[in-house]
Amino acid sequence: AQTVTQSQPEMSVQEAETVTLSCTYDTSENNYYLFWYKQPPSRQMILVIRQEAYKQQNATENRFSVNFQKAAKSFSLKISDSQLGDTAMYFCAFIGGSNYKLTFGKGTLLTVNP
Amino acid sequence: DAGITQSPRHKVTETGTPVTLRCHQTENHRYMYWYRQDPGHGLRLIHYSYGVKDTDKGEVSDGYSVSRSKTEDFLLTLESATSSQTSVYFCAIKPGQGSYEQYFGPGTRLTVT
Repeated sequence: AQTVTQSQPEMSVQEAETVTLSCTYDTSENNYYLFWYKQPPSRQMILVIRQEAYKQQNATENRFSVNFQKAAKSFSLKISDSQLGDTAMYFCAFIGGSNYKLTFGKGTLLTVNP
Repeated sequence: DAGITQSPRHKVTETGTPVTLRCHQTENHRYMYWYRQDPGHGLRLIHYSYGVKDTDKGEVSDGYSVSRSKTEDFLLTLESATSSQTSVYFCAIKPGQGSYEQYFGPGTRLTVT
């Protein structure tokens, strides 16, 4: 069974600064996908970024980038130039092999302070 | 916008009553999912569907049943609601072949008193 661990229940950052959210996972699969989802106070789940395990290059989406370390089974999210609208719960998630079921971490609540 | 709606958006019900939540999608996606979200647990999969009349259990399926008689609708039923089923319920879809991410509906907040 796959597990996803987010070790930081809460984090805070000043506006315009950079913050990194941690995620580790455990799997015996060789082919899998990793995601970060954002859940603002509106409750909507929003896909932020995805990473295919077979790709060595780290994914980037505007101010959001990941540091994917396959051997260490680590998948951290870096948010640059933090904005007040980045305040949200962030979930790391995993899909492995031919299993189309997402496994989520418990989330990290990020607060961006003015 | 993945064209996913959930109804109702909020519901309060009493212990022991049956409850049905509906997920509707407009883009003919084959895979649909029901999750529940609870503080300290993230999102956990209840049931999922991989086609009309094709469903399977997730990690927290006890006390829940599902049905999918049409591609566009995936129903989640609590046969006899309990207070432990107070939660936020999310429906999700997986787009077609080659895509592994899921897109979520707006959620339903269910309170069982």
